[in-house]
Amino acid sequence: GQNIDQPTEMTATEGAIVQINCTYQTSGFNGLFWYQQHAGEAPTFLSYNVLDGLEEKGRFSSFLSRSKGYSYLLLKELQMKDSASYLCAPLDSNYQLIWGAGTKLIIKP
Amino acid sequence: GAGVSQTPSNKVTEKGKYVELRCDPISGHTALYWYRQSLGQGPEFLIYFQGTGAADDSGLPNDRFFAVRPEGSVSTLKIQRTERGDSAVYLCASSPGPDNEQFFGPGTRLTVL
Repeated sequence: GQNIDQPTEMTATEGAIVQINCTYQTSGFNGLFWYQQHAGEAPTFLSYNVLDGLEEKGRFSSFLSRSKGYSYLLLKELQMKDSASYLCAPLDSNYQLIWGAGTKLIIKP
Repeated sequence: GAGVSQTPSNKVTEKGKYVELRCDPISGHTALYWYRQSLGQGPEFLIYFQGTGAADDSGLPNDRFFAVRPEGSVSTLKIQRTERGDSAVYLCASSPGPDNEQFFGPGTRLTVL
């Protein structure tokens, strides 16, 4: 079957760094997306990885290892506005996004 | 348009009634997706359109749910004989193609009493 595994909740301090891990099992693979979702709002795109390695975009970086079925999202210089849920979503062989429940990130001052 | 829009933003209905939810995708996006999301969960896939046709409707939970996209732009999700378990936020997303990022609308919060 298809499965996404992420921690349910994480807490970090403003100004610090946090890494949100994701392991996945899908029928085929066509890349992996990370989305951010603030409470009561729609998901917004953060990153897309299709090849192994690290993609950096400002304070956010995303890493992919296809052989391990593993990705992580790294958030640096955390700000209070980064409090949100972070959803890891691989794209399967039918080009469908497979969604987990996401990781709720709480930032404390 | 500037982004994906959905109407209504909120819909309260009674059990057994019929509802229609509308999605206006970003102009030129050929792919359109419907999801529903319950509190604390990720989006649950319902249906995917490529152009006017439903390329994948495997996520529709039963035959009370139906969606159309007659001109390859606006889409309507139709739910017949609503049940309390249908209460959720219904999200629409569009993208230029199936392997591009999906842009989400603000969602319609459906409450079935």
